Amino acid sequence: AQSVTQLGSHVSVSEGALVLLRCNYSSSVPPYLFWYVQYPNQGLQLLLKYTTGATLVKGINGFEAEFKKSETSFHLTKPSAHMSDAAEYFCAVSESGNQFYFGTGTSLTVIP
Amino acid sequence: ETGVTQTPRHLVMGMTNKKSLKCEQHLGHNAMYWYKQSAKKPLELMFVYSLEERVENNSVPSRFSPECPNSSHLFLHLHTLQPEDSALYLCASSQVFRAEVSYEQYFGPGTRLTVT
Repeated sequence: AQSVTQLGSHVSVSEGALVLLRCNYSSSVPPYLFWYVQYPNQGLQLLLKYTTGATLVKGINGFEAEFKKSETSFHLTKPSAHMSDAAEYFCAVSESGNQFYFGTGTSLTVIP
Repeated sequence: ETGVTQTPRHLVMGMTNKKSLKCEQHLGHNAMYWYKQSAKKPLELMFVYSLEERVENNSVPSRFSPECPNSSHLFLHLHTLQPEDSALYLCASSQVFRAEVSYEQYFGPGTRLTVT
């Protein structure tokens, strides 16, 4: 069965510091990979996605992620954290059909 | 209206009430989803409709009843709920191009449900 693991349910970084949110998945076939962000009292918003092609994908708000097949990882990074980045981040995987699998989320706190 | 909208945004209901959640997508998508989001748990997929036909029902209790009258609208009918059903209910839509391929989902803001 497909699973998504997000290491660290809470991550704190200082403003201006590197943001690194980890995501590992299990899949027997090349998956489609996504990162979503959720602000308080809102739905999930797509940050970026990997389907095929270049393994380093860029998304909105300066975020990017790299698909590493050998490590079954899709970690999310941002070079310099901003206060507005404080939110809940979800990694998701879609293998085929209409089934999406989400991680449990990582809450990002940005310290001024 | 753009994107995916959900009404109401907040709902408080007793265990004997009957209520409905509504979702509407303005993106021209052909698949719609209901998710349950509880604290400290992964999003739980409840129902999937593709081309207005239900294709997934992940052992959801019968007190939750979905309805998809057309590709733009999705309802979740609620009756005799339990306190543990209190959660954020998210609606999403996507475009399925081929049977084996799905692309990203677009989410609504959710309905915060409290069962008393």
